[in-house]
Amino acid sequence: QQPVQSPQAVILREGEDAVINCSSSKALYSVHWYRQKHGEAPVFLMILLKGGEQKGHEKISASFNEKKQQSSLYLTASQLSYSGTYFCGTLGNTGKLIFGQGTTLQVKP
Amino acid sequence: NAGVTQTPKFQVLKTGQSMTLQCAQDMNHNSMYWYRQDPGMGLRLIYYSASEGTTDKGEVPNGYNVSRLNKREFSLRLESAAPSQTSVYFCASSKWDSTDTQYFGPGTRLTVL
Repeated sequence: QQPVQSPQAVILREGEDAVINCSSSKALYSVHWYRQKHGEAPVFLMILLKGGEQKGHEKISASFNEKKQQSSLYLTASQLSYSGTYFCGTLGNTGKLIFGQGTTLQVKP
Repeated sequence: NAGVTQTPKFQVLKTGQSMTLQCAQDMNHNSMYWYRQDPGMGLRLIYYSASEGTTDKGEVPNGYNVSRLNKREFSLRLESAAPSQTSVYFCASSKWDSTDTQYFGPGTRLTVL
C-alpha cells in the first residue's frame, strides 16, 4: 500500500525550513528518500533503517518513528538547489520498495 | 561509468502496437527495477528482478512483460499498448536488493494515442 506524504506542495523563501512527512499503514523495515528535479531522474538522498541507523545526505536530516510507521525529512536553511519533488519509499515485509505520491518543494530567492 | 541507460528517450505509439523499452547498467548490480511515473501518483513499481533469470511482479504489472537478459540488461515489453500506458518509465538498479540505494536511468517518455 502506497505511503502518504504531506504536504503535497510547499513554497519557501531561501533560508527557510521545511518538513516533509511520510506515513504508512504497514510495519516498516526502512524508509528511503529521493529527490527528483523537473525532467530528471530521481536521485537518492537517504535511507533510515529500523533501529535508528541513518545513511545519506550531510545537509538534509530525517527521522524514522518505527512504532508510528512514520518518517519526516527536515530541510533546514533551504537553498534554491533544494527545489524539486521529494519521494519517500517504504520497505515492509513484501521486500518491495513502495513510493509515496511525492511532495513538490519550490524555493524562491 | 554510464550508470543506468535507457532507450529510447521518447516514443509515440498507436493503440495496439507493441514495443520494448531497453535498460542497461554497468555497475555490476544484482537487482533491477521498472517503474512508471504518472502525475500525482509518484513512482509505481511494475516489475523487478533480484538476479539474472528471476523476475517478480510489482504494484502495477498488468499489460507488461519483462526479461532479464543477463546481469546488465532488463527490458520491459508492452505487447498491445493502451492509452492508459502513457507515462514516463524509469529503470533503476541496486547493488543487492530493495534495501539498497537505487540508481535511476534518465527515463522514457511514452505516449500511446
